[in-house]
Amino acid sequence: DQQVKQNSPSLSVQEGRISILNCDYTNSMFDYFLWYKKYPAEGPTFLISISSIKDKNEDGRFTVFLNKSAKHLSLHIVPSQPGDSAVYFCAASIIIQGAQKLVFGQGTRLTINP
Amino acid sequence: DAGITQSPRHKVTETGTPVTLRCHQTENHRYMYWYRQDPGHGLRLIHYSYGVKDTDKGEVSDGYSVSRSKTEDFLLTLESATSSQTSVYFCAIKWGATDTQYFGPGTRLTVL
Repeated sequence: DQQVKQNSPSLSVQEGRISILNCDYTNSMFDYFLWYKKYPAEGPTFLISISSIKDKNEDGRFTVFLNKSAKHLSLHIVPSQPGDSAVYFCAASIIIQGAQKLVFGQGTRLTINP
Repeated sequence: DAGITQSPRHKVTETGTPVTLRCHQTENHRYMYWYRQDPGHGLRLIHYSYGVKDTDKGEVSDGYSVSRSKTEDFLLTLESATSSQTSVYFCAIKWGATDTQYFGPGTRLTVL
């Protein structure tokens, strides 16, 4: 079963507007959440993260919101820029038998239109 | 820059042949991971290592083995490659005491 889901395979946003990417999870044992950005032919790059004890974390144009009761997190990018066009993965962290593991969503392809 | 390199970056092989992918890190991180990325699946964990000679399975480990004889190198082996193992493979390290993993540039493997 898919423990982390990104239900929107793609999203198109006009330059300068807000981009909102969503992610849902099912396992309440996840204690840390991360967003990665991926360009073609490159590895995923870490973008921003949030601990399960917080509900918001901000870094420049990027803000991640966590709603634990709904098991939902979102990434807001404002204002959106053409260089933000990429695939975005959310990931949830869990410790199993002393080892940290990440569970990833399927990814959302964000396209910023000029 | 997490100092992670992967080799080869691209490989085409035939069904039934053995293949070994290498991940090399320069920062002495304890934890290393191998993932595969496929359309519609995101990244899925194949195997991970928590120290020299200490490894364990991830969610999609069938058909794969790993070895870590030195801190800096984590090898992924496909004993007998199949077409279903055509994918992009990423290595990652866990950065110190944080929960953040950093990824290498990937290896695109095609099994014909």
